[in-house]
Amino acid sequence: DTAVSQTPKYLVTQMGNDKSIKCEQNLGHDTMYWYKQDSKKFLKIMFSYNNKELIINETVPNRFSPKSPDKAHLNLHINSLELGDSAVYFCASSQGSGQGNIQYFGAGTRLSVL
Amino acid sequence: SQQGEEDPQALSIQEGENATMNCSYKTSINNLQWYRQNSGRGLVHLILIRSNEREKHSGRLRVTLDTSKKSSSLLITASRAADTASYFCATTPQGAQKLVFGQGTRLTINP
Repeated sequence: DTAVSQTPKYLVTQMGNDKSIKCEQNLGHDTMYWYKQDSKKFLKIMFSYNNKELIINETVPNRFSPKSPDKAHLNLHINSLELGDSAVYFCASSQGSGQGNIQYFGAGTRLSVL
Repeated sequence: SQQGEEDPQALSIQEGENATMNCSYKTSINNLQWYRQNSGRGLVHLILIRSNEREKHSGRLRVTLDTSKKSSSLLITASRAADTASYFCATTPQGAQKLVFGQGTRLTINP
């Protein structure tokens, strides 16, 4: 079974549309994350939730809204998509939110905004 | 600003040779991790080294940490074609709850 799974794997959409990416982990972890990896492979954290509570909210446009219905799921909804949103989005999870936690990543969702 | 910076950005070697990648960071840290990313896949954790450790081994991997120079190195010995991937260092700055990644070193092992 895949430990951290995210869907869809590929997402192609038009500018201005709204889309969602889903993430689920079956590791029993308390903390989940969303990262954005740009075309230069630079990986930047966007959000983190610990037991359904938002603990990290980096400088991200408010068009991006995460939702954690339970600690095994963290979804990302994006409104009014822009060309610059094209990237690979990774979900990850870790046992806790403290320092030294190893993170487990999903396979990524490649978002292309046309 | 970016915390970790890997050097070189790209490295191409022959199978069987050793590969060394370096990472520099800017602020004090509690630990440093290395991750591997195969093309089109997510990141996979390789090794974690704490700030009070100087060297750590895991199989063919050897990681060093020099907190006075704010740098770390990852050595892969006896490289294999399957080691072809991007390698990222990630730090947890003191007082922070997040990992900050560098831009990675793209390693190519030629058969």
